[in-house]
Formats: sequence, C-alpha cells, structure tokens
Amino acid sequence: GENVEQHPSTLSVQEGDSAVIKCTYSDSASNYFPWYKQELGKRPQLIIDIRSNVGEKKDQRIAVTLNKTAKHFSLHITETQPEDSAVYFCAALEGSARQLTFGSGTQLTVLP
Amino acid sequence: DTGVSQDPRHKITKRGQNVTFRCDPISEHNRLYWYRQTLGQGPEFLTYFQNEAQLEKSRLLSDRFSAERPKGSFSTLEIQRTEQGDSAMYLCAISGVGISSYTFGSGTRLTVV
Repeated sequence: GENVEQHPSTLSVQEGDSAVIKCTYSDSASNYFPWYKQELGKRPQLIIDIRSNVGEKKDQRIAVTLNKTAKHFSLHITETQPEDSAVYFCAALEGSARQLTFGSGTQLTVLP
Repeated sequence: DTGVSQDPRHKITKRGQNVTFRCDPISEHNRLYWYRQTLGQGPEFLTYFQNEAQLEKSRLLSDRFSAERPKGSFSTLEIQRTEQGDSAMYLCAISGVGISSYTFGSGTRLTVV
C-alpha cells in the first residue's frame, strides 16, 4: 500500500516569512495529492490539491509543487500570518485505491 | 455547515461498553469513509462505502468494529467491548465520483476510561 512521509513535524516562522512542508510517497501509481489544514479540535479542511498531470498549482499565498520522478510534493505558504498557525497534512491517492493515505502532519507556528 | 454532520461530538464510555457513532451527509454522495485520528497523527483509513456497499476495510478495523450504510445515505460505526486504545477522534468523510477531495465531518471524540 501507499506510504506517505511528511517533514518537518514542527515548523516555526516569523510572520511574513515563507513556510515549506515536504512530503514523499511510495506508490508511483498515486495520482492525486491534497493538503489539509487542521486547527485544534476542528476537522481537517482542504486548502489545495494537485493532480499528477500538473507540476505546480497556486492559490493566492498557497502553492503546491509535484515532482513525479522523485515522488515528492511540497506545500509553500508565502507571507505567513498568525492565522496560518495549524497542523498541515499531506495525502496521496493511488489510482485504483479508494482511500487517501495521510502524512503524520506538520505543526506550523507563525510568530507575530 | 460542513456538508457532513457527525453525532455525538464527544463520547466518554467505560471500558467494555459498546458505542455507536453516526454520520449524516447533508447531500447525496456516493462515497463515504470512516477514519480514525489519534493525537499528533494523521487520519488513518478504517473503511469505505460506495452507496450502501462496504467495499474496503482496513486491517485496523478489528472484529469489534462494524460499520453500516443502509440505503446509501447516513452511516453508523459501532465499537463493541471498547478498549482504552480505541480512544481517538473518529472522522467521517464524503467525496464525489472520480478523483476528488474529501469533505470531513467535525468528528466524534471518543474517550474510553
């Protein structure tokens, strides 16, 4: 089955700086990679996703890049704000599977 | 309005008791998933329904766990003879046809004492 590794587990940045979170996946058949943001005590919420036929996708301050050859994908948050503080999860969906496999999460703290 | 309603939000039970959680998608979605999330970890897949058919079960889903989705709408997850290791957040998620993202419910936090 698919295995997703996520780094770092914790990340602290100054407000206004950029944050980068990286994930690797094991199954070359995986073709869909969403990122979720989870605030304390709340449900995971989709913030951006990318399909395997695209190398990069951007939505305002958030971007995701995908390197299929190396089997890794990254989340980039620019101009970070205190409200970006949360746990971020990457995930991968293998083509024939029905379930997402999640990384272990990154606790992002944006210091004012 | 998350698109998925879960009940109860919190459940405290004594070890050995049975518990049942409910998941209600607000609109019709043919795919429904149950995940379990422990503190500091990502959600782990438990089981998946396409309409009323339970198509996949994780090996995490021991025989003490059972899930149903009668009529392909709401779903229930029952845990029999609860153990302290069952303490976790149980998340329900829905998705549409094809490759698409999940919408998670707010979850049921289970504490087994």
